[in-house]
Amino acid sequence: DAKTTQPTSMDCAEGRAANLPCNHSTISGNEYVYWYRQIHSQGPQYIIHGLKNNETNEMASLIITEDRKSSTLILPHATLRDTAVYYCIVRVAYNTDKLIFGTGTRLQVFP
Amino acid sequence: GAGVSQSPRYKVAKRGQDVALRCDPISGHVSLFWYQQALGQGPEFLTYFQNEAQLDKSGLPSDRFFAERPEGSVSTLKIQRTQQEDSAVYLCASSPPPWTGDLMNTEAFFGQGTRLTVV
Repeated sequence: DAKTTQPTSMDCAEGRAANLPCNHSTISGNEYVYWYRQIHSQGPQYIIHGLKNNETNEMASLIITEDRKSSTLILPHATLRDTAVYYCIVRVAYNTDKLIFGTGTRLQVFP
Repeated sequence: GAGVSQSPRYKVAKRGQDVALRCDPISGHVSLFWYQQALGQGPEFLTYFQNEAQLDKSGLPSDRFFAERPEGSVSTLKIQRTQQEDSAVYLCASSPPPWTGDLMNTEAFFGQGTRLTVV
Protein backbone atom coordinates (compact mmCIF):
# COMPACT_ATOMS: atom_id res chain seq x y z
CA ASP A 1 0.00 0.00 0.00
CA ALA A 2 1.08 3.56 -0.69
CA LYS A 3 2.49 5.34 2.36
CA THR A 4 1.16 8.73 1.29
CA THR A 5 -2.19 10.47 1.04
CA GLN A 6 -2.97 13.19 -1.48
CA PRO A 7 -6.09 15.07 -2.54
CA THR A 8 -7.79 13.45 -5.50
CA SER A 9 -7.87 16.58 -7.63
CA MET A 10 -6.95 20.25 -7.71
CA ASP A 11 -7.40 23.19 -10.07
CA CYS A 12 -4.99 26.03 -10.73
CA ALA A 13 -5.12 29.10 -12.96
CA GLU A 14 -2.41 29.40 -15.57
CA GLY A 15 0.46 31.57 -14.34
CA ARG A 16 -0.38 31.05 -10.70
CA ALA A 17 1.51 28.86 -8.25
CA ALA A 18 0.21 25.31 -7.84
CA ASN A 19 0.69 23.93 -4.33
CA LEU A 20 0.18 20.17 -4.09
CA PRO A 21 0.10 18.73 -0.56
CA CYS A 22 1.08 15.26 0.57
CA ASN A 23 0.82 13.54 3.94
CA HIS A 24 3.33 10.85 4.87
CA SER A 25 2.97 10.53 8.62
CA THR A 26 4.66 7.10 8.81
CA ILE A 27 7.80 8.07 6.92
CA SER A 28 10.98 6.44 8.22
CA GLY A 29 14.22 8.26 8.94
CA ASN A 30 15.97 6.86 5.89
CA GLU A 31 13.10 7.48 3.46
CA TYR A 32 13.04 10.32 0.99
CA VAL A 33 10.02 12.12 -0.44
CA TYR A 34 9.82 11.80 -4.23
CA TRP A 35 7.48 13.46 -6.69
CA TYR A 36 6.66 12.13 -10.14
CA ARG A 37 4.06 13.31 -12.58
CA GLN A 38 2.24 11.57 -15.41
CA ILE A 39 0.91 13.50 -18.34
CA HIS A 40 -1.89 11.80 -20.24
CA SER A 41 -0.72 8.81 -22.32
CA GLN A 42 2.88 9.13 -21.15
CA GLY A 43 5.00 7.35 -18.57
CA PRO A 44 5.68 8.96 -15.19
CA GLN A 45 8.35 11.66 -15.12
CA TYR A 46 10.62 12.44 -12.19
CA ILE A 47 10.22 15.95 -10.75
CA ILE A 48 12.15 16.28 -7.51
CA HIS A 49 13.04 14.55 -4.26
CA GLY A 50 14.21 15.51 -0.78
CA LEU A 51 15.03 14.16 2.66
CA LYS A 52 14.44 16.98 5.17
CA ASN A 53 15.67 20.19 3.60
CA ASN A 54 13.65 22.15 1.12
CA GLU A 55 14.73 21.51 -2.46
CA THR A 56 14.40 23.47 -5.68
CA ASN A 57 15.19 22.63 -9.28
CA GLU A 58 14.20 23.96 -12.67
CA MET A 59 10.81 22.26 -12.50
CA ALA A 60 9.57 22.77 -8.96
CA SER A 61 10.21 23.36 -5.27
CA LEU A 62 9.68 20.85 -2.49
CA ILE A 63 8.85 22.02 1.01
CA ILE A 64 9.10 19.36 3.75
CA THR A 65 7.80 20.09 7.24
CA GLU A 66 10.24 19.90 10.14
CA ASP A 67 8.64 16.70 11.48
CA ARG A 68 8.75 15.28 7.91
CA LYS A 69 5.15 14.10 8.16
CA SER A 70 3.99 16.18 5.23
CA SER A 71 5.31 18.04 2.23
CA THR A 72 4.19 20.39 -0.53
CA LEU A 73 5.22 20.42 -4.16
CA ILE A 74 5.17 23.91 -5.62
CA LEU A 75 4.98 24.68 -9.33
CA PRO A 76 5.71 28.42 -9.20
CA HIS A 77 4.08 29.46 -12.48
CA ALA A 78 1.76 26.73 -13.69
CA THR A 79 1.20 26.33 -17.43
CA LEU A 80 -1.37 24.31 -19.34
CA ARG A 81 1.34 21.70 -19.97
CA ASP A 82 1.54 21.08 -16.22
CA THR A 83 -1.89 19.44 -16.33
CA ALA A 84 -1.13 15.92 -15.13
CA VAL A 85 -1.45 13.43 -12.28
CA TYR A 86 1.13 14.14 -9.57
CA TYR A 87 2.36 11.28 -7.38
CA CYS A 88 4.01 11.73 -3.99
CA ILE A 89 6.10 8.67 -3.03
CA VAL A 90 8.27 7.84 -0.05
CA ARG A 91 11.15 5.45 -0.45
CA VAL A 92 14.78 4.93 0.40
CA ALA A 93 17.08 6.72 -2.01
CA TYR A 94 18.39 3.68 -3.79
CA ASN A 95 17.38 3.50 -7.42
CA THR A 96 17.21 -0.24 -7.03
CA ASP A 97 14.13 0.28 -4.88
CA LYS A 98 10.73 0.01 -6.52
CA LEU A 99 8.33 2.93 -6.56
CA ILE A 100 5.00 2.47 -4.78
CA PHE A 101 2.47 4.79 -6.38
CA GLY A 102 -0.84 5.82 -4.86
CA THR A 103 -3.64 7.32 -6.92
CA GLY A 104 -2.02 10.78 -6.97
CA THR A 105 -3.51 14.25 -7.42
CA ARG A 106 -5.01 15.17 -10.75
CA LEU A 107 -3.97 18.80 -11.36
CA GLN A 108 -6.00 20.70 -13.93
CA VAL A 109 -4.47 24.00 -15.05
CA PHE A 110 -7.03 26.25 -16.70
CA PRO A 111 -6.53 29.36 -18.89
CA GLY B 1 18.31 5.89 -27.91
CA ALA B 2 17.49 8.93 -25.87
CA GLY B 3 14.94 7.27 -23.64
CA VAL B 4 13.25 4.05 -22.65
CA SER B 5 11.52 2.55 -25.66
CA GLN B 6 8.58 0.15 -25.47
CA SER B 7 6.90 -1.80 -28.22
CA PRO B 8 4.31 -2.26 -29.39
CA ARG B 9 2.67 0.96 -28.33
CA TYR B 10 -0.77 -0.68 -28.53
CA LYS B 11 -1.75 -4.33 -28.53
CA VAL B 12 -5.16 -5.91 -28.91
CA ALA B 13 -5.30 -9.58 -27.96
CA LYS B 14 -8.09 -12.09 -28.02
CA ARG B 15 -8.77 -13.75 -24.70
CA GLY B 16 -6.55 -16.80 -24.36
CA GLN B 17 -3.85 -15.45 -26.68
CA ASP B 18 -0.23 -15.10 -25.56
CA VAL B 19 1.45 -11.68 -25.82
CA ALA B 20 5.02 -10.40 -25.54
CA LEU B 21 5.84 -6.82 -24.65
CA ARG B 22 9.30 -5.41 -25.26
CA CYS B 23 11.32 -2.84 -23.35
CA ASP B 24 14.57 -1.25 -24.54
CA PRO B 25 16.09 0.55 -21.53
CA ILE B 26 18.50 3.44 -21.68
CA SER B 27 21.97 2.17 -22.54
CA GLY B 28 24.04 1.47 -19.45
CA HIS B 29 21.12 1.31 -17.05
CA VAL B 30 21.50 -1.74 -14.83
CA SER B 31 18.10 -1.60 -13.13
CA LEU B 32 14.90 -2.36 -15.01
CA PHE B 33 11.35 -2.37 -13.64
CA TRP B 34 7.97 -3.39 -15.03
CA TYR B 35 4.76 -1.80 -13.78
CA GLN B 36 1.09 -2.39 -14.58
CA GLN B 37 -1.31 0.54 -14.66
CA ALA B 38 -5.05 -0.04 -14.73
CA LEU B 39 -7.35 2.72 -15.93
CA GLY B 40 -7.58 5.53 -13.38
CA GLN B 41 -5.03 3.97 -11.04
CA GLY B 42 -1.40 4.58 -10.27
CA PRO B 43 1.23 2.19 -11.64
CA GLU B 44 1.72 -1.01 -9.68
CA PHE B 45 5.06 -2.79 -9.44
CA LEU B 46 5.40 -6.14 -11.20
CA THR B 47 9.05 -7.12 -11.27
CA TYR B 48 12.63 -5.86 -11.06
CA PHE B 49 15.91 -6.83 -12.76
CA GLN B 50 19.44 -5.89 -11.93
CA ASN B 51 21.35 -6.62 -15.11
CA GLU B 52 20.12 -10.09 -16.14
CA ALA B 53 19.12 -11.18 -12.65
CA GLN B 54 15.46 -11.00 -11.70
CA LEU B 55 15.74 -9.93 -8.07
CA ASP B 56 12.10 -9.26 -7.28
CA LYS B 57 9.03 -10.71 -8.95
CA SER B 58 6.69 -10.29 -6.03
CA GLY B 59 4.27 -8.11 -8.00
CA LEU B 60 3.55 -10.54 -10.81
CA PRO B 61 -0.18 -11.30 -10.41
CA SER B 62 -0.10 -14.91 -11.54
CA ASP B 63 2.07 -17.59 -13.08
CA ARG B 64 0.74 -16.50 -16.48
CA PHE B 65 3.09 -13.52 -16.23
CA PHE B 66 6.75 -14.05 -17.02
CA ALA B 67 9.58 -11.58 -17.55
CA GLU B 68 13.12 -12.01 -18.77
CA ARG B 69 16.21 -9.94 -19.50
CA PRO B 70 18.69 -12.53 -20.75
CA GLU B 71 21.58 -10.23 -21.70
CA GLY B 72 21.01 -7.51 -19.16
CA SER B 73 19.61 -4.99 -21.61
CA VAL B 74 16.35 -5.60 -23.52
CA SER B 75 13.56 -7.10 -21.45
CA THR B 76 10.40 -8.92 -22.45
CA LEU B 77 7.23 -9.26 -20.41
CA LYS B 78 5.18 -12.23 -21.54
CA ILE B 79 1.58 -12.88 -20.61
CA GLN B 80 0.17 -16.30 -21.38
CA ARG B 81 -3.50 -17.08 -21.95
CA THR B 82 -4.51 -13.43 -21.60
CA GLN B 83 -7.69 -12.57 -19.72
CA GLN B 84 -9.79 -9.42 -19.75
CA GLU B 85 -8.45 -8.33 -16.37
CA ASP B 86 -4.98 -8.15 -17.92
CA SER B 87 -6.11 -5.11 -19.91
CA ALA B 88 -3.89 -2.26 -18.73
CA VAL B 89 -0.92 -0.10 -19.65
CA TYR B 90 2.37 -1.88 -19.03
CA LEU B 91 5.19 0.50 -18.17
CA CYS B 92 8.91 -0.16 -18.20
CA ALA B 93 11.42 1.94 -16.28
CA SER B 94 15.20 1.86 -16.08
CA SER B 95 17.73 3.40 -13.72
CA PRO B 96 21.47 3.99 -13.96
CA PRO B 97 24.00 2.51 -11.52
CA PRO B 98 23.63 3.90 -7.99
CA TRP B 99 26.66 6.17 -8.25
CA THR B 100 28.26 8.23 -10.97
CA GLY B 101 31.40 9.57 -9.38
CA ASP B 102 30.22 11.36 -6.27
CA LEU B 103 26.68 11.77 -7.58
CA MET B 104 23.99 9.43 -6.28
CA ASN B 105 21.56 8.43 -9.02
CA THR B 106 18.03 8.02 -7.77
CA GLU B 107 15.77 8.77 -10.72
CA ALA B 108 13.82 6.19 -12.67
CA PHE B 109 13.17 6.83 -16.37
CA PHE B 110 9.91 5.52 -17.77
CA GLY B 111 8.87 4.52 -21.25
CA GLN B 112 5.52 5.53 -22.75
CA GLY B 113 4.07 2.13 -22.04
CA THR B 114 2.22 -0.53 -24.00
CA ARG B 115 -1.57 -0.37 -23.83
CA LEU B 116 -2.89 -3.94 -23.83
CA THR B 117 -6.56 -4.53 -24.52
CA VAL B 118 -7.87 -8.07 -24.18
CA VAL B 119 -11.15 -8.67 -25.99
